[in-house]
Amino acid sequence: GDSVTQMEGPVTLSEEAFLTINCTYTATGYPSLFWYVQYPGEGLQLLLKATKADDKGSNKGFEATYRKETTSFHLEKGSVQVSDSAVYFCALKGNTGRRALTFGSGTRLQVQP
Amino acid sequence: EAGVAQSPRYKIIEKRQSVAFWCNPISGHATLYWYQQILGQGPKLLIQFQNNGVVDDSQLPKDRFSAERLKGVDSTLKIQPAKLEDSAVYLCASSLFAPGLAGGGAKNIQYFGAGTRLSVL
Repeated sequence: GDSVTQMEGPVTLSEEAFLTINCTYTATGYPSLFWYVQYPGEGLQLLLKATKADDKGSNKGFEATYRKETTSFHLEKGSVQVSDSAVYFCALKGNTGRRALTFGSGTRLQVQP
Repeated sequence: EAGVAQSPRYKIIEKRQSVAFWCNPISGHATLYWYQQILGQGPKLLIQFQNNGVVDDSQLPKDRFSAERLKGVDSTLKIQPAKLEDSAVYLCASSLFAPGLAGGGAKNIQYFGAGTRLSVL
């Protein structure tokens, strides 16, 4: 079945540091890929998405590129801020059968001033 | 537009008691999902509705969990009797997708509520 593997956290960075959170997936066909963010005390929010190979999703300075050849969708940001501290979830949605999301286990990011 | 509404935000019960959660999706969204998020893990689908019909309940522990979506709008998820391992955050999500709508894109984006945190003692 479908699965998503994320790097374990927590990831602790200083403000303005470069961020990479790795995500790889296993799925049949061509799934859509997503990054969701969960701020403390809040629900999951869609951060960005990509629906086909080589697509780049971007939002709020975050980027991720759908790499079919490496089955990866790594999240990057050039300069993190304290306000980016949250838990980040990589997820996929298959394009056949069920349309629910399959999530990774989440990566907690802590940004220190 | 209003987001996905869930209640209550928090619930504490003793094992073997029953509990119910409520979800009101975004207006016009045909698809509704219930996810279970255990501490330190990603959300896992419990049940998916398309309007008022069940699309996928393969991971719902049917001996104790039940869900309904009467009239294809709001939904309730019930646990009876609760076990210690049911302690989790229960998330409701909705998306516009409905049978017959072509393509994907924005129609398939899932919007999540803030969740109900359940503690079973």
